[in-house]
Amino acid sequence: AQSVTQLDSQVPVFEEAPVELRCNYSSSVSVYLFWYVQYPNQGLQLLLKYLSGSTLVKGINGFEAEFNKSQTSFHLRKPSVHISDTAEYFCAVSTPRYEKLTFGTGTRLTIIP
Amino acid sequence: EPEVTQTPSHQVTQMGQEVILRCVPISNHLYFYWYRQILGQKVEFLVSFYNNEISEKSEIFDDQFSVERPDGSNFTLKIRSTKLEDSAMYFCASSLGSEQFFGPGTRLTVL
Repeated sequence: AQSVTQLDSQVPVFEEAPVELRCNYSSSVSVYLFWYVQYPNQGLQLLLKYLSGSTLVKGINGFEAEFNKSQTSFHLRKPSVHISDTAEYFCAVSTPRYEKLTFGTGTRLTIIP
Repeated sequence: EPEVTQTPSHQVTQMGQEVILRCVPISNHLYFYWYRQILGQKVEFLVSFYNNEISEKSEIFDDQFSVERPDGSNFTLKIRSTKLEDSAMYFCASSLGSEQFFGPGTRLTVL
């Protein structure tokens, strides 16, 4: 079974500052890793995914994440945030058999003007 | 761009009533899922469906829940006798491979 830990439930950041949202996972088999964003009162939108290959993954809206197998982490970063990035961010894991996604508890990113 | 759609967007029901939540997955997708998100909590897996049968279900998905793909385009989640604790946002998702595409969700309120 897999599990995901998002260490920060809330992260306040000043506009145009960098941000890192942390995600650690646990799995006994190889995994796929995902970051989803949920804007207020909306569904889940995929930001980026790691399936294999390069450990640095670039996604939409200027976000990127780095897969670190030794530290079982998949932290999300953005060099300069905007007000529009205010949302809930979920890290998720699945296995390479098109199985269910297991989500973390989410991190609420709040941008301070 | 193709997308997953869900109806209704909001459903209010009385405890003990049956509800059916509807989803139209992306047309060429093969794998279908239901997840739920209780207010303020994380998204939880309910069930996955492939080749016209359930491929995996969580412990949440008890005998009160059922899924169906009645006509090759719709994918439904039925809750036979709703409880207060079933109040949540229910998301449908579909995939062809590694990436799951989510619908906008149905907010179910059980009174």
